[in-house]
Amino acid sequence: DAGVIQSPRHEVTEMGQEVTLRCKPISGHNSLFWYRQTMMRGLELLIYFNNNVPIDDSGMPEDRFSAKMPNASFSTLKIQPSEPRDSAVYFCASSRYTSGSTKNIQYFGAGTRLSVL
Amino acid sequence: AQSVTQLDSQVPVFEEAPVELRCNYSSSVSVYLFWYVQYPNQGLQLLLKYLSGSTLVKGINGFEAEFNKSQTSFHLRKPSVHISDTAEYFCALFSSNTGKLIFGQGTTLQVKP
Repeated sequence: DAGVIQSPRHEVTEMGQEVTLRCKPISGHNSLFWYRQTMMRGLELLIYFNNNVPIDDSGMPEDRFSAKMPNASFSTLKIQPSEPRDSAVYFCASSRYTSGSTKNIQYFGAGTRLSVL
Repeated sequence: AQSVTQLDSQVPVFEEAPVELRCNYSSSVSVYLFWYVQYPNQGLQLLLKYLSGSTLVKGINGFEAEFNKSQTSFHLRKPSVHISDTAEYFCALFSSNTGKLIFGQGTTLQVKP
């Protein structure tokens, strides 16, 4: 299995521009998670989906952030407009979620390093 | 509320020495615990997990962890570290109530020659 695939690996953009980060989860996984990692705040869960439906978006910082999962094999995280404080590494993770199961192990992608100038 | 505390932000150690990275958790329900490792400029990789059964869990790269319910701890150990073990290590608790992983702040392991 190819694992969780994120693109791009690096993104440099100017303040005010729209940024779209992409994620392809592991085939057969039905849960997808978006995290943000910074030195100051560590790892933060932004949003997660079960069966393509957003379950908890309480971690999304503000309305400039939006996430979609149009099908089981693709998700996007969009920032519009971007700001310098959005600079971070964004990770996508997926798991095979079964209610009541202990085997909800998350597998992470390599991340997208975003720099907003 | 459930939480995870990693007691050391940085642990410097010499090559071939033993190491212990400490993790304590707080939970009122059944716990499922994980250690992840993050090498520089890479994503998080699962090192080991405790779901049930034996309290001593063995993972990849010679690491092991012991689940201690009375002390609410899940410390990570390795008897002899290598330079290549230099990385950030995260302890995490799976919350069956919310379906989320709750991460500690991370511990940077610095292995010196």
